[in-house]
Amino acid sequence: DAGVIQSPRHEVTEMGQEVTLRCKPISGHDYLFWYRQTMMRGLELLIYFNNNVPIDDSGMPEDRFSAKMPNASFSTLKIQPSEPRDSAVYFCASSPDNHYGYTFGSGTRLTVV
Amino acid sequence: DQQVKQNSPSLSVQEGRISILNCDYTNSMFDYFLWYKKYPAEGPTFLISISSIKDKNEDGRFTVFLNKSAKHLSLHIVPSQPGDSAVYFCAATSGTYKYIFGTGTRLKVLA
Repeated sequence: DAGVIQSPRHEVTEMGQEVTLRCKPISGHDYLFWYRQTMMRGLELLIYFNNNVPIDDSGMPEDRFSAKMPNASFSTLKIQPSEPRDSAVYFCASSPDNHYGYTFGSGTRLTVV
Repeated sequence: DQQVKQNSPSLSVQEGRISILNCDYTNSMFDYFLWYKKYPAEGPTFLISISSIKDKNEDGRFTVFLNKSAKHLSLHIVPSQPGDSAVYFCAATSGTYKYIFGTGTRLKVLA
């Protein structure tokens, strides 16, 4: 298996633009997570899905952020409009139905200028 | 409010010596704890975990200790190797798949 695939690896955009981050989880994993990494707050959970259904989105910072999982093999995290404070590394992770830890993707480094 | 805290942003250790990384938590409902390692430009990878019913879990050079009364866990790496240089995150959960991560500790093992 190729692991969790995220695209793009890097994204630079101007303030006010829409940004879409993409994730392909490991086949057969029931859970999908979106995290954001910053120096100040470390890894923050934004939202997670179980069997394509959002379970907890309490970490989504504000209405500018939205996430979807239209099927078991694809998820998106959208920021509209983007702001400089959204600059961070965004990770997607997936997990089977056990507690042996998530598998993270390599992340998308977002820079909003 | 940080429920999981790693108060040391960085740590340097000589090769062959012990590395001790610390983590404190505030939520007494947490019952499962994990450590992840992260290299630059890569995602975090799972390293070792411990359930609250144990106070120690060992896997090769890595041992995690849990002190529930102090709400403290630590990761010991013995002996430390240059390849262990990375950022280490601790995480905690209370019976769900929602892991709360700390801010990380950057370990540098000096050859």
